[in-house]
Amino acid sequence: DIQMTQSLASLSASLEEIVTITCQASQDIGNWLAWYQQKPGKSPQLLIHSATSLADGIPSRFSGSRSGTQYSLKISRLQVEDTGIYYCLQRYSKYTFGAGTKLELK
Amino acid sequence: EVQLVESGGGLVQPGRSMKLSCAASGFTFNNYDMAWVCQAPKKGLEWVATISYDGSSTYYRDSVKGRFTISRDNAKSTLYLQMDSLRSEDTATYYCARVSTCFDYWGQGVMVTVSS
Repeated sequence: DIQMTQSLASLSASLEEIVTITCQASQDIGNWLAWYQQKPGKSPQLLIHSATSLADGIPSRFSGSRSGTQYSLKISRLQVEDTGIYYCLQRYSKYTFGAGTKLELK
Repeated sequence: EVQLVESGGGLVQPGRSMKLSCAASGFTFNNYDMAWVCQAPKKGLEWVATISYDGSSTYYRDSVKGRFTISRDNAKSTLYLQMDSLRSEDTATYYCARVSTCFDYWGQGVMVTVSS
């Protein structure tokens, strides 16, 4: 089975800071990678699909990139409403989520 | 507007059964594969099962194979998850999700608690 590793369990950053969250796949998954944001008590919201495509209605400060089997989610200027837990998902073979990265304001 | 509304959760004893439903609206239901995803309390997300747009193919995570059954009624735009032989480790919020390049729309979730 494909493993997705989010090495940072938590991250603290300041307003307007650039934040990067990463996810490492255990094997090649091409661009079959999505990013989600989840706030307490809410269902996950899709941010990025196909590794780099911004989902409808998502602010342009969010972007996704890929380098080999490492995937990154970048928030260009952190806002208050960006706090939450971020998950990656691969759907190259079945579906596997990363363990999540909790983003808080410093 | 795409809407997915789950129902059918609650408290159930170990070894018993429960059936979840997910009513879909705002899109052509029979054009999309659908899935169930779960999240144990304070834990991460786990894919549970997927069903093809026409119901002809189903896929399950290993821990629920033989115990859970995903199905759909395209005439009613409704997705189901029949959960048998429930275990305490099945306690979670269950989300239904629409499948495209990923899970693009999610329901609000329904809590299932397996406890005596």
